[in-house]
Amino acid sequence: RKEVEQDPGPFNVPEGATVAFNCTYSNSASQSFFWYRQDCRKEPKLLMSVYSSGNEDGRFTAQLNRASQYISLLIRDSKLSDSATYLCASSGGYQKVTFGIGTKLQVIP
Amino acid sequence: DAGVIQSPRHEVTEMGQEVTLRCKPISGHNSLFWYRQTMMRGLELLIYFNNNVPIDDSGMPEDRFSAKMPNASFSTLKIQPSEPRDSAVYFCASSEPPGAGKGPYNEQFFGPGTRLTVL
Repeated sequence: RKEVEQDPGPFNVPEGATVAFNCTYSNSASQSFFWYRQDCRKEPKLLMSVYSSGNEDGRFTAQLNRASQYISLLIRDSKLSDSATYLCASSGGYQKVTFGIGTKLQVIP
Repeated sequence: DAGVIQSPRHEVTEMGQEVTLRCKPISGHNSLFWYRQTMMRGLELLIYFNNNVPIDDSGMPEDRFSAKMPNASFSTLKIQPSEPRDSAVYFCASSEPPGAGKGPYNEQFFGPGTRLTVL
């Protein structure tokens, strides 16, 4: 079993829709969690960090459920520019971060 | 400010040749990470350094891969001899010391990557 698991998608959603991604992690000692965004043929860039129960930034909300060992990312009022791959990541050791395979989102006009 | 710098951006080589990838981390960052990304396996950590010292190289696939960090501003990842299955995008990332940011583990800043094709 992979340490961080995500549904690779793709998720095809209409513009303006709300979409949610889940990510599960197997290392119960993980302390910090992240969502990175990666555009096609580009490097990953941090979207949100999740250190406690959750975090919100505009249209984006990340939540952490330690009991069930998953984190989620909710995108409200999705825009065409949200089309990208979203990488979930966890960190349980000294700055070492483990990434999921990524979930591809395509927002359709 | 300059971000993480990687060179070359693209590399096409033939099987058996030596490949050297280079990385310059963000000034002031004390941790440096080498990742490999493929469609099948996603983003995999190969090795990371803290204060120029290798901390965890468990992700290095085999002895053909080696990495060095001779100083705080430069690192190399070498593949010798290269094989077609090494074809991937190789990313270098750097981060600040723990506690320098908002949480215990800080954001990693990625370079643009090196797209390696081994024929």
